[in-house]
Amino acid sequence: GNSVTQMEGPVTLSEEAFLTINCTYTATGYPSLFWYVQYPGEGLQLLLKATKADDKGSNKGFEATYRKETTSFHLEKGSVQVSDSAVYFCALRGTGGGNKLTFGTGTQLKVEL
Amino acid sequence: EPEVTQTPSHQVTQMGQEVILRCVPISNHLYFYWYRQILGQKVEFLVSFYNNEISEKSEIFDDQFSVERPDGSNFTLKIRSTKLEDSAMYFCASSETGPFLYGYTFGSGTRLTVV
Repeated sequence: GNSVTQMEGPVTLSEEAFLTINCTYTATGYPSLFWYVQYPGEGLQLLLKATKADDKGSNKGFEATYRKETTSFHLEKGSVQVSDSAVYFCALRGTGGGNKLTFGTGTQLKVEL
Repeated sequence: EPEVTQTPSHQVTQMGQEVILRCVPISNHLYFYWYRQILGQKVEFLVSFYNNEISEKSEIFDDQFSVERPDGSNFTLKIRSTKLEDSAMYFCASSETGPFLYGYTFGSGTRLTVV
């Protein structure tokens, strides 16, 4: 079946540091890939997505590239801010029909001054 | 910006009791979902609902669970006889179409604690 593996957290960075959160997946065919973010006390918000190989999703300075050859969708940001502190979830929608998302465990990011 | 609203935000219940978790999806959305996250574990799909019926459900969604759209605006998840292992954060979501195009809009979640 489909699965998503994310790096363990928490990840603690200083403001303006470079961020990478690794995400790899297992799925047949060409799934759609997503990053969701959950700020404290709020719901899951779609951060960015990519629907085919080599697509790059981007939003709010975050980027992720759909790499079919390495089955990866790593999240990156060049310069993090304290306001980026949140839990980040990688997810996929498989190609077998249906609308369900398969999530990773989430990675907590803490950004300090 | 339109929101998905979930109530209550926290619920404590005794084992064996029935609970109903409530959600108000975005008004023009057609697909509705429930997910849950046991503390420290993955967010897991429970069920999707379209056109007044279940379109897909996971192995977790057994006979103890049911969903309903009783009045055209609310979307509820009922757990008939709660177990300790049902303790989790439950997320409701809705979408205009499948998440392939737009992604879901999630609610803030209901934290259910079974004691």
